[in-house]
Amino acid sequence: SQKIEQNSEALNIQEGKTATLTCNYTNYSPAYLQWYRQDPGRGPVFLLLIRENEKEKRKERLKVTFDTTLKQSLFHITASQPADSATYLCAPPGRLAFGKGNQVVVIP
Amino acid sequence: EAQVTQNPRYLITVTGKKLTVTCSQNMNHEYMSWYRQDPGLGLRQIYYSMNVEVTDKGDVPEGYKVSRKEKRNFPLILESPSPNQTSLYFCASSFNRQGTGNTIYFGEGSWLTVV
Repeated sequence: SQKIEQNSEALNIQEGKTATLTCNYTNYSPAYLQWYRQDPGRGPVFLLLIRENEKEKRKERLKVTFDTTLKQSLFHITASQPADSATYLCAPPGRLAFGKGNQVVVIP
Repeated sequence: EAQVTQNPRYLITVTGKKLTVTCSQNMNHEYMSWYRQDPGLGLRQIYYSMNVEVTDKGDVPEGYKVSRKEKRNFPLILESPSPNQTSLYFCASSFNRQGTGNTIYFGEGSWLTVV
């Protein structure tokens, strides 16, 4: 069956470093992937969308890549700040089911 | 302002007492969905709807019902709530344009406690 997987372990990172999160998909080829940010107790908020024919997408300090060979999308937060601490979710097209998300904790 | 509105935001209820959580969107979206979120389990999809009168089960539909009689509303019904349905619930909506990338808009969440 189609699957989206993210590493559910928290990523602790020092302020100023780059955080890198992984979204792996199996048994299908999504035309795009979306990335969302969720703060505790709040609904997810859209960040970026990357299509299968795009290698990379950027928005301010965020960068997303899409490798259809590896069946993987990487999400990078450069020059991380404590305000970036949140859970980041990837979502494929279709019925809009999400992966478990990656929690990021930026340590001052 | 584009909005997904859920009500109630907070509710404590007793086992077996039927309740409905309403969800309404003002963006003319075809697609709507309900999720529940529990610690360590991420967002799990309960039911979704691709358009009016079209609903389908998500990953955890047991104990829930939905209906989609109008485009803007997608209520979640708990016919006989049980304590294991204590959770944070989110409603979401988006356009349903194939292949173009449809941003999902979420409501603010409904905290439900069943005692």
